[in-house]
Amino acid sequence: KAGVTQTPRYLIKTRGQQVTLSCSPISGHRSVSWYQQTPGQGLQFLFEYFSETQRNKGNFPGRFSGRQFSNSRSEMNVSTLELGDSALYLCASRWTPGTYEQYFGPGTRLTVT
Amino acid sequence: KNEVEQSPQNLTAQEGEFITINCSYSVGISALHWLQQHPGGGIVSLFMLSSGKKKHGRLIATINIQEKHSSLHITASHPRDSAVYICAVATGNQFYFGTGTSLTVIP
Repeated sequence: KAGVTQTPRYLIKTRGQQVTLSCSPISGHRSVSWYQQTPGQGLQFLFEYFSETQRNKGNFPGRFSGRQFSNSRSEMNVSTLELGDSALYLCASRWTPGTYEQYFGPGTRLTVT
Repeated sequence: KNEVEQSPQNLTAQEGEFITINCSYSVGISALHWLQQHPGGGIVSLFMLSSGKKKHGRLIATINIQEKHSSLHITASHPRDSAVYICAVATGNQFYFGTGTSLTVIP
């Protein structure tokens, strides 16, 4: 069974641009969560999607948004990029929300210049 | 205020040593996760706990719900255990992460 995949793996953008990252969960998993990891703040929860609905959201500005498609694939979008958005963006999938173990993707390394 | 505190931040051990990493949290949780992150960024979920103790190979994780504390133990440590270990707690609708413990095991 294939693991969680994320595309692209690396990305360089300029301040003010927007970016879309993609996450394909493990087959059968319907919940996808997104996380941001920076050296200063560590890992932080962005949001979780289940059955195409945002279920939970962390403390991030509205520039960070996401969506989930009927095949459970998810995208996250960051608009009006800032230098501080440079980070490793990780997604993780699980069967359903709740106390099920998560499986992480390899991450997308975003650099904003 | 950090909802999850880990200690120590950095740990160096000789191969074969018994290692303990501690995690304390301040929120009500539905589950606690121990994650392992190798250089390059990939994260692997080691354990998910809501009570008691779990063991997988040389790794043991325990949780004390009353004391809001969890420990991750590595027996007979090996250089391939060198990684960052992260404690994360799940509440009803949020995840909170510790800052991680960087472990280096020297041959």
